[in-house]
Amino acid sequence: AQSVTQLDSHVSVSEGTPVLLRCNYSSSYSPSLFWYVQHPNKGLQLLLKYTSAATLVKGINGFEAEFKKSETSFHLTKPSAHMSDAAEYFCVVILPYGQNFVFGPGTRLSVLP
Amino acid sequence: DAGITQSPRHKVTETGTPVTLRCHQTENHRYMYWYRQDPGHGLRLIHYSYGVKDTDKGEVSDGYSVSRSKTEDFLLTLESATSSQTSVYFCAISESGVTSRNTIYFGEGSWLTVV
Repeated sequence: AQSVTQLDSHVSVSEGTPVLLRCNYSSSYSPSLFWYVQHPNKGLQLLLKYTSAATLVKGINGFEAEFKKSETSFHLTKPSAHMSDAAEYFCVVILPYGQNFVFGPGTRLSVLP
Repeated sequence: DAGITQSPRHKVTETGTPVTLRCHQTENHRYMYWYRQDPGHGLRLIHYSYGVKDTDKGEVSDGYSVSRSKTEDFLLTLESATSSQTSVYFCAISESGVTSRNTIYFGEGSWLTVV
């Protein structure tokens, strides 16, 4: 079975400071991992995805994530938060069958001026 | 943005009434999905389709049915709505299914309230 844990339901940072959103997974397979962002009242947008080509994955809007197999983690980071980064972030793992993404519960990021 | 239109975007309905949500895509993608989003649960798959008239259940399919008579349209029906089906429903599409080489695109959601 596969599951995704997002350790923080809410993270608050000041504008210009680093962002760290944590994600851990459990999987009996080599995982495929994604981060999606959802702005208020909007659909989900793909930030980045891990495809096993490189452990450090760069995404849109300055975000990146590092796959660490030994820690079963795929944490999302950004060096400097912007007000427009305030949103809900979902870590996602793919099941190898059944055509399904498994979503974490989400982390709400607030950015303070 | 991917061409995905959900309708209606907002609906309030009474317990026991049937409700149909429509997802329309202009991308000619083979796969279409319906998810529901609830606080603390992320998104959970209700049903998906891998072609015209080809559908399968997801993890929370009880109380829902789907139909796909055309590539571009995927309908989600609540036969008899219950308050537990109050949620935000997202349609998604992908060209060739859920793989790391592919991307899933989401619609903007349909807010359903069952009173």
